[in-house]
Amino acid sequence: NAGVTQTPKFRVLKTGQSMTLLCAQDMNHEYMYWYRQDPGMGLRLIHYSVGEGTTAKGEVPDGYNVSRLKKQNFLLGLESAAPSQTSVYFCASIGDTSEQFFGPGTRLTVL
Amino acid sequence: AQSVTQLGSHVSVSEGALVLLRCNYSSSVPPYLFWYVQYPNQGLQLLLKYTSAATLVKGINDFEAEFKKSETSFHLTKPSAHMSDAAEYFCAVSDSGSNYKLTFGKGTLLTVNP
Repeated sequence: NAGVTQTPKFRVLKTGQSMTLLCAQDMNHEYMYWYRQDPGMGLRLIHYSVGEGTTAKGEVPDGYNVSRLKKQNFLLGLESAAPSQTSVYFCASIGDTSEQFFGPGTRLTVL
Repeated sequence: AQSVTQLGSHVSVSEGALVLLRCNYSSSVPPYLFWYVQYPNQGLQLLLKYTSAATLVKGINDFEAEFKKSETSFHLTKPSAHMSDAAEYFCAVSDSGSNYKLTFGKGTLLTVNP
């Protein structure tokens, strides 16, 4: 079991560029989440999904879009990156024990 | 809405001393409570969790936390700090009614002095 994996691990973008972050889990989990981590802010929920084909907004959804076309994958998109989106992004999934399993993170810098 | 408050953004202890990291939460329904640890440039690792079973929860590396409903607290303790415990610690709350979304505290950076 690879658990939760994230691609890429690092990325540098210029303002206005677009990109997609991929989260994959091999645990057959229904629920998946995207968080961003900023210094002194803890982790904040961007979007989440309660099953294949569903998505919902979290606390800080503006500037991001998501898709869950396959149960094992949860994609986070930035259509027009801004410096305020410089952050570390974590994906997580949850099974039937209420515990969230986190991926290793993607460090994104927007110049 | 749920919220988590971690008292003290930075806690410093001596090696061998008691570690106490404070967490208070608010939730309108019975909560699930978690403590995560993050080492520099790494992801989050679950230390322990409370899911309505025993109020005293034991986790990895001799950490434990006690759920006190009357105080809405879930403080993390360890009897004797090791240098390897230096990291950032996050308290988080979720519940089944909110699709298990986690609400995190802002974190407490633990420094262990030799």
